[in-house]
Amino acid sequence: DIQLTQSPSPLSASVGDRVTITCRASQNVNTWLAWYQQRPGEAPKLLIYRASTLQGGVPSRFSGSGSGTEFTLTISSLQPDDFATYYCQHYNSDSCTFGQGTKLEIK
Amino acid sequence: QVQLQESGPGLVRPSETLSLTCNVSGGSIISYYYNWIRQYPGGELEWIGYLYYNGATSYNPSLKSRVTISIDPSKKQFSLRLSSVTAADTAIYYCARARVASRTVPEYWGHGTLVTVSS
Repeated sequence: DIQLTQSPSPLSASVGDRVTITCRASQNVNTWLAWYQQRPGEAPKLLIYRASTLQGGVPSRFSGSGSGTEFTLTISSLQPDDFATYYCQHYNSDSCTFGQGTKLEIK
Repeated sequence: QVQLQESGPGLVRPSETLSLTCNVSGGSIISYYYNWIRQYPGGELEWIGYLYYNGATSYNPSLKSRVTISIDPSKKQFSLRLSSVTAADTAIYYCARARVASRTVPEYWGHGTLVTVSS
């Protein structure tokens, strides 16, 4: 089974900061990786798929990169709504697994 | 606007069967994959399985022996049954819809329903 490890956790930052969250896979997953945002009390929200493709309606300050075993989610300028927990997900046609999550906190 | 809504008992006794239903509104039920995903109290997300609108399924190997996902297109509903539950099955259960191109990457999620397994 492929394991996903996210870092750091938690992450403290301020409004306006540029932040990067890393997701490392235990095996090569090509670019079959997605990122989700989850605010307290809400369901996860899809941000990025295929490692770098922005889901429709997601602000352009979010970006994803990487391939193989190392991936990053970058928020270019933090907004108050961005303080949430972020999950990476490896997927294929028949299953998926999630990282443990990175909580982005206000410094 | 596509909406999904879970419904079912919030409390299930150990060894019994957990049954949840997801109502889909605001769009066609065909040509999509319907997933069930759960979230444990500590925040960990676990994919349970999916069903294609034609009835084809795929399940998490760790749960496969206990899980059944089914669909009733006429009611625009799909369902989850998880048998022989224990306290370890206590979680928030989400239903979610994904496109054909990315079957396990849901774009639309329900709000989630908390299921507690306890006597």
